Amino acid sequence: GQQLNQSPQSMFIQEGEDVSMNCTSSSIFNTWLWYKQDPGEGPVLLIALYKAGELTSNGRLTAQFGITRKDSFLNISASIPSDVGIYFCAGPRFTGTASKLTFGTGTRLQVTL
Amino acid sequence: EPEVTQTPSHQVTQMGQEVILRCVPISNHLYFYWYRQILGQKVEFLVSFYNNEISEKSEIFDDQFSVERPDGSNFTLKIRSTKLEDSAMYFCASTQWRTDTQYFGPGTRLTVL
Repeated sequence: GQQLNQSPQSMFIQEGEDVSMNCTSSSIFNTWLWYKQDPGEGPVLLIALYKAGELTSNGRLTAQFGITRKDSFLNISASIPSDVGIYFCAGPRFTGTASKLTFGTGTRLQVTL
Repeated sequence: EPEVTQTPSHQVTQMGQEVILRCVPISNHLYFYWYRQILGQKVEFLVSFYNNEISEKSEIFDDQFSVERPDGSNFTLKIRSTKLEDSAMYFCASTQWRTDTQYFGPGTRLTVL
């Protein structure tokens, strides 16, 4: 099946630092999604990317859809304590009347004061 | 803003017992999904549902699992005879159209003893 690998697996950073993480796929996706999950909560959509090469921002978050359509990057600028959580990339597949998301392995972010 | 809701937030059950997890999708949505996340792992697709039937299911969704939309508002996941390895967070999601971005509920934590 499709695999989405994220790196790094975890990060420990200081408040105010910038963060970069990426997601690579064994196959092409036409849409890339980035979700954040807080402990004990469901994934919350951060950014959606629909076009190869697209660069999209949402506040301090910026994500890019790789040209090859097999990767995507998420950057967080000037991190704050509430950025703590697990960040997942996800790619949708559409078949017939169905769609499903394949999630990446996740990047766990810890922010220290 | 409309949200997907799930009940209960936490369910504890004995191995071999039946459980029903409930979801109330966003009211005008037509496509419904269940995902599972074992502790510390990524989110995995279980099943998608449209027009009162399953559109697609994963290998995880075996004969012990079933889904139903018993009325106009609820969407349920039933596990007939729970196993220890069914312990996980179960997330419901819904979309109005097949290609829409999926929004997730807060999840039900299922603990099988």
